[in-house]
Amino acid sequence: DAGITQSPRHKVTETGTPVTLRCHQTENHRYMYWYRQDPGHGLRLIHYSYGVKDTDKGEVSDGYSVSRSKTEDFLLTLESATSSQTSVYFCAISRYGTSGSDPEQFFGPGTRLTVL
Amino acid sequence: SQQGEEDPQALSIQEGENATMNCSYKTSINNLQWYRQNSGRGLVHLILIRSNEREKHSGRLRVTLDTSKKSSSLLITASRAADTASYFCATDAGTSYDKVIFGPGTSLSVIP
Repeated sequence: DAGITQSPRHKVTETGTPVTLRCHQTENHRYMYWYRQDPGHGLRLIHYSYGVKDTDKGEVSDGYSVSRSKTEDFLLTLESATSSQTSVYFCAISRYGTSGSDPEQFFGPGTRLTVL
Repeated sequence: SQQGEEDPQALSIQEGENATMNCSYKTSINNLQWYRQNSGRGLVHLILIRSNEREKHSGRLRVTLDTSKKSSSLLITASRAADTASYFCATDAGTSYDKVIFGPGTSLSVIP
């Protein structure tokens, strides 16, 4: 358990409304990630962060923005939600696990977002 | 396009049998990782194999890596009903450890 929580866990919203998802970690890890998971696509990287105020785009970043003003919090914002953004969103951190030599990812419990 | 692709997409076996899942990827890598996801939950890291390793074991899991063919396999021996889950391979792009790209996954059903 890497001490990762996500909020909210479930959200239903209307098309065109802004939505912010929060990822919180308690272990001071440098790298944090946002993924979305859809049937047939596995997990796709939206954005990631390598430090406070340092972020970069992933493979499906259009329509999403992120912010990281504190090490422990990584926020994902949908400025104007669309139905195509209905998905399950996972936050992850990267840390050295049992292999010791290379970083591994540890995931939060996910947020199920429905955009009507 | 995705870096990793698992095969088969779905697999159904009887309890006690072995389950084999394959992963192919496109670019050079530093390492390849396998994750498990139980229904409705987040992913859990299973095992990591580095590009200079050919085989790795962890309990009932055996992972092989063939960098010449850009492929990996995950073998679960003596499967149990509790192994029912989706399994994902994940790779970096070889240039850095920062970004990890996941395949679409294999859905494994173990029938008691």
